[in-house]
Amino acid sequence: GAVVSQHPSWVICKSGTSVKIECRSLDFQATTMFWYRQFPKQSLMLMATSNEGSKATYEQGVEKDKFLINHASLTLSTLTVTSAHPEDSSFYICSARGGGQVSYNSPLHFGNGTRLTVT
Amino acid sequence: GIQVEQSPPDLILQEGANSTLRCNFSDSVNNLQWFHQNPWGQLINLFYIPSGTKQNGRLSATTVATERYSLLYISSSQTTDSGVYFCAVAHTGTASKLTFGTGTRLQVTL
Repeated sequence: GAVVSQHPSWVICKSGTSVKIECRSLDFQATTMFWYRQFPKQSLMLMATSNEGSKATYEQGVEKDKFLINHASLTLSTLTVTSAHPEDSSFYICSARGGGQVSYNSPLHFGNGTRLTVT
Repeated sequence: GIQVEQSPPDLILQEGANSTLRCNFSDSVNNLQWFHQNPWGQLINLFYIPSGTKQNGRLSATTVATERYSLLYISSSQTTDSGVYFCAVAHTGTASKLTFGTGTRLQVTL
């Protein structure tokens, strides 16, 4: 149980276009999902917290107008990279708290990530 | 914010050897997880261990929350153990937002 599916697994787009990444909880409802970004040979950095039915909370330094997050249902959160530029090329990973547990003291489960390349 | 440091940063082992990876964190936590990131980027959840000791096959982990560290033990290493190992913690009161450590890059050779 507690499977998180992320799509697409990789995408190449031209500079100036927008890209949407989907994160789905397949067998549980997730009121909260998290979006991370990872540059080559670096650790994962939290970008934003996605809350179902309300606005996302962005970490300091993350441009909310560039990285649009929508969490319209209990099983789907989307991240849209708007007007992408080569410096946005990165590995994006989502996560969600699993199994219907509402306690903060439970593990997070991660999608397989999306590798974005902007040319 | 909370700081999470892992050591060693890089580790090369011969197949069959044992190793210990360490994760130090700077404040109280209510969640600690160990992950293995494979060469394709997938994060494999190894342990959810905010305190105590757990074992799963050749892997085991111990977290001493009062002293703010966790250890991951790998015994009889195999080439498939290669990759990057991350610990990630949620600072108490931060609604389970995980902060990732700096990572340990492990290479297991024949």
